[in-house]
Amino acid sequence: EIVLTESPGTLSLSPGERATLSCRASQSVSNDYLAWYQQKPGQAPRLLIYAASSRATGIPDRFRGSGSGTDFTLTISRLEPEDFAVYYCQQYGSAPFTFGPGTKVDI
Amino acid sequence: QVQLVQSGGEVKKPGASVKVSCKASGYTFNTYGISWVRQAPGQGLEWMGWISPYNGNTNYAQKLQGRVTMATDTSTSTAYMELRSLRSDDTAVYFCARDAEQWLALPYFDSWGQGTLLTVSS
Repeated sequence: EIVLTESPGTLSLSPGERATLSCRASQSVSNDYLAWYQQKPGQAPRLLIYAASSRATGIPDRFRGSGSGTDFTLTISRLEPEDFAVYYCQQYGSAPFTFGPGTKVDI
Repeated sequence: QVQLVQSGGEVKKPGASVKVSCKASGYTFNTYGISWVRQAPGQGLEWMGWISPYNGNTNYAQKLQGRVTMATDTSTSTAYMELRSLRSDDTAVYFCARDAEQWLALPYFDSWGQGTLLTVSS
């Protein structure tokens, strides 16, 4: 099973600042099949990024995914008030299709 | 537009079983896989398993093997997840989620149900 570790656990920032979230895998993620999701309280997750760096439909270009192999990054270039949420990475290259523990981005 | 509508919340006693439904609309049901993902209170996301509505193939998380069964009814575009021998640590919100890509069986998810809260308590 691929274990995903996200860091930091919590990121305290202000609107307009840049957020850099890390996701590290215990072994190489096949085909860089790594997705990022945003989740707000009481809501289902929302797909942001797939295949490590492809933005999902309707996702603003301030969200950027990068990385390969075992190290991946989600960068939010300038935080908007609606971006304060929990972010999860997920690998879908090999079963079980595991999620990371999440990074909370708060004010 | 794609919609996944789940059944309502459930309260069960330890040892009981639960069956949660997920009715899909807005797309061709049998061309996209469906996964079930759960989230314990205040915790992260846990992938439980995946099913192909096209041929019924399943892939379950090993820790749930023997306790979980996923099924689909293509006539009603509905997916089901049954969990047996419930324990208190099965208390969670259960989500169904649709594969983002048609046919490819790549379980990353562009559409989610609203979630179903299961409470297991004596």
